[in-house]
Amino acid sequence: AQSVTQPDIHITVSEGASLELRCNYSYGATPYLFWYVQSPGQGLQLLLKYFSGDTLVQGIKGFEAEFKRSQSSFNLRKPSVHWSDAAEYFCAVGNTGGFKTIFGAGTRLFVKA
Amino acid sequence: NAGVTQTPKFRVLKTGQSMTLLCAQDMNHEYMYWYRQDPGMGLRLIHYSVGEGTTAKGEVPDGYNVSRLKKQNFLLGLESAAPSQTSVYFCASSYPSQFKTRPTDYDQPQHFGDGTRLSIL
Repeated sequence: AQSVTQPDIHITVSEGASLELRCNYSYGATPYLFWYVQSPGQGLQLLLKYFSGDTLVQGIKGFEAEFKRSQSSFNLRKPSVHWSDAAEYFCAVGNTGGFKTIFGAGTRLFVKA
Repeated sequence: NAGVTQTPKFRVLKTGQSMTLLCAQDMNHEYMYWYRQDPGMGLRLIHYSVGEGTTAKGEVPDGYNVSRLKKQNFLLGLESAAPSQTSVYFCASSYPSQFKTRPTDYDQPQHFGDGTRLSIL
């Protein structure tokens, strides 16, 4: 069965510290992978996506993610977190033609001063 | 440029009442989607549309109907609301019409509205 697991329900990091949010997936075909961010009271915003090619993907707002096929992972990273990064982050997996994007349950990021 | 606009933002219904949620996009997108978001469950696709006059079922379509009479609008209807439909509903869109082929980028929801918080008592 296809699934996306975000093991951490919430994470707290200090402003200026590095960040890594974990995402593991189970998908029968070659996956397309996505990270979205949701600020309170708003819809989701696409941070980055991986379809093929270079396994290190750069996104907006200084985020990057690395696809590791052997580990079925697509972890999101940022070298230095800003207070404005506090939000909920969703990993998603899908493929073309099926409109079957599956979202993880999300990881809420708290940033402390 | 408003992007994706959802109305209303909040609504409280009684069990058995009906209502329609409106989603409007001004980006000339072909694809539109309705999701529901529940705590600890991420987003689940209710219905989607690949163009004006077409709709299809997603993962959790029961209890909902949709219509896409105009390209820019995608309506989600609840005919007889149930407490299990208490949720936050998000509309999304993707696939600009100016693309003559169908790039793989655009099967995925690109732009989201701010959501409609619906409570059913």
